Amino acid sequence: RKEVEQDPGPFNVPEGATVAFNCTYSNSASQSFFWYRQDCRKEPKLLMSVYSSGNEDGRFTAQLNRASQYISLLIRDSKLSDSATYLCVASNYGQNFVFGPGTRLSVLP
Amino acid sequence: SQTIHQWPATLVQPVGSPLSLECTVEGTSNPNLYWYRQAAGRGLQLLFYSVGIGQISSEVPQNLSASRPQDRQFILSSKKLLLSDSGFYLCAWALLSSYNEQFFGPGTRLTVL
Repeated sequence: RKEVEQDPGPFNVPEGATVAFNCTYSNSASQSFFWYRQDCRKEPKLLMSVYSSGNEDGRFTAQLNRASQYISLLIRDSKLSDSATYLCVASNYGQNFVFGPGTRLSVLP
Repeated sequence: SQTIHQWPATLVQPVGSPLSLECTVEGTSNPNLYWYRQAAGRGLQLLFYSVGIGQISSEVPQNLSASRPQDRQFILSSKKLLLSDSGFYLCAWALLSSYNEQFFGPGTRLTVL
């Protein structure tokens, strides 16, 4: 079983739609969680750190459920520019960053 | 502000040739440094990480090696490249803080022929 698993995707949604990505992690020692976005042939860029109480940044909302070892990312009012691959990450004090395989999102006009 | 540089941006090398990729970080001290590889259409694979000068941890046994000769310099090397070494090599840095987010360099796209 992979340490971090994500929805396989791809997700094809129309502009303005709400889309949710799910991620599960297997290492219960994981302490920090992140969402990154990666555009085609580019480096991953940090989208959000995921705080234990959940957090929101504009159209993006991240949730963490430690009991279920589950992380989610919700994107509201999708824009064309949101098209990318979204990577879920679980970390244990910065010495063990484990990336999920990513979920590709295409926002269609 | 912190910046991270990688070079070269792209590289085409024959099988059996040596490799040296360099990564430098500016604007921070004593960062954790990481090398990842991403094969085409695949996820990120952690290759090495370093918590200080001369301290390297290897995650995957392979024909690659890493060195950290200075605080903000991280080098990925190989004596003889294999076809399977082709991929997108990414360097990242993080501060050992309560959240320690990682920040990536622009990457080196390596093709081994």
